Amino acid sequence: DQQVKQNSPSLSVQEGRISILNCDYTNSMFDYFLWYKKYPAEGPTFLISISSIKDKNEDGRFTVFLNKSAKHLSLHIVPSQPGDSAVYFCAASADNRGSTLGRLYFGRGTQLTVWP
Amino acid sequence: EPEVTQTPSHQVTQMGQEVILRCVPISNHLYFYWYRQILGQKVEFLVSFYNNEISEKSEIFDDQFSVERPDGSNFTLKIRSTKLEDSAMYFCASIFRSSYNSPLHFGNGTRLTVT
Repeated sequence: DQQVKQNSPSLSVQEGRISILNCDYTNSMFDYFLWYKKYPAEGPTFLISISSIKDKNEDGRFTVFLNKSAKHLSLHIVPSQPGDSAVYFCAASADNRGSTLGRLYFGRGTQLTVWP
Repeated sequence: EPEVTQTPSHQVTQMGQEVILRCVPISNHLYFYWYRQILGQKVEFLVSFYNNEISEKSEIFDDQFSVERPDGSNFTLKIRSTKLEDSAMYFCASIFRSSYNSPLHFGNGTRLTVT
């Protein structure tokens, strides 16, 4: 099952710079996309989402961009902080004619390290 | 902020034994889920549960798995006869309502080790 792919297992960025995490998907039925952050020994924590009717959503230092034609989304974190060091998961969902949102398809995650 | 609580944090069991993983979803949430993550692999959907019945289940969720909401607060995942390949982190999640404005809230997980 490779419907959501995060091809970079790790990313290292200096504090204050921009972090760009990428995600690709193959299922054209996906219409809702989320980013989750995960620290060791904790569950995934919701970060930001975007609906397929938009191409950008911003929340503070976090911005998600969606390119539907390329089936690609990215998460930008600017400026990056050491506390942002975590595993970032991209996830996607398809609207099953109004049935329960909850079946998310996750990527393998990207380990972000922000160094001082 | 309300949390999804999972117990135990780590469960070790022998192959063939039954195991029950417990979750207390956020109190006013109505939709409940189990996901799992085998070490080094993706987080995978297992099952969703609403109104005391399964809404959707994945191909992983076979007859060895069952879920139950035995009272107003607990949500459990039972594995009847564990296999080595069931070793994974199991995450419970919940949402208040099924809408795109309600992202899943995950618990911290139970690490299941089958020996």
